[in-house]
Amino acid sequence: QVQLVESGGGVVQPEKSLRLSCAASGFTFSSFGMHWVRQAPGKGLEWVAVISYDGSNKYYADSVKGRFTISRDNSKNTLYLQMNSLRAEDTAVYFCAKDPTALTGYYMDYWGQGTLVTVSS
Amino acid sequence: EIVLTQSPATLSLSPGERATLSCRASQSVRSYLAWYQQKPGQAPRLLIYDASNRATGIPARFSGSGSGTDFTLTISSLEPEDFAVYYCQQRSNWPPLFTFGPGTKVDIK
Repeated sequence: QVQLVESGGGVVQPEKSLRLSCAASGFTFSSFGMHWVRQAPGKGLEWVAVISYDGSNKYYADSVKGRFTISRDNSKNTLYLQMNSLRAEDTAVYFCAKDPTALTGYYMDYWGQGTLVTVSS
Repeated sequence: EIVLTQSPATLSLSPGERATLSCRASQSVRSYLAWYQQKPGQAPRLLIYDASNRATGIPARFSGSGSGTDFTLTISSLEPEDFAVYYCQQRSNWPPLFTFGPGTKVDIK
């Protein structure tokens, strides 16, 4: 069965950096696009970024463009989100999610349980 | 940017009742709309994709309809485990950017 396990969250000061990881299993990781989606405390879902199966195509929400970088290591079945210049408004639970296609499909079919990032001084 | 609007914000119903949730897009998304269910402290779960296709393992009481700008998620007879928040989601054509609606909370009356 598909499993996605996020890690790397924690408390970080404003303007600092943090890298999230998402370990994937139960499917051929190198064949599918992957997403990051976040949810601020008590708020709705906000899409963050998507990466194609081979890492050659990446797209970002305007709110994180230039600060966050999505990447993947298919040899390790792991998705990453490098977050730089963090702001208080980046405080959220970050979910990784699988795309049903190799590039960018139209939805996310499996989700991890999320990791909490708190940006605070 | 395509904006999704969901109504109502909250739907108070009893088990066994029918739930009808609406999602409206600011411009046509053709049939490329998905619905997710999220319970407190849990990850979202895909219910419906491409407006009307049930995801793997989703019970038949969940159905989706619509195209263009107006979409509906229907739960034919609410079970206790269906009380949750429901989000719709779309992807823009190019560049491929994704947006979610603000959600509809279905709670117990």
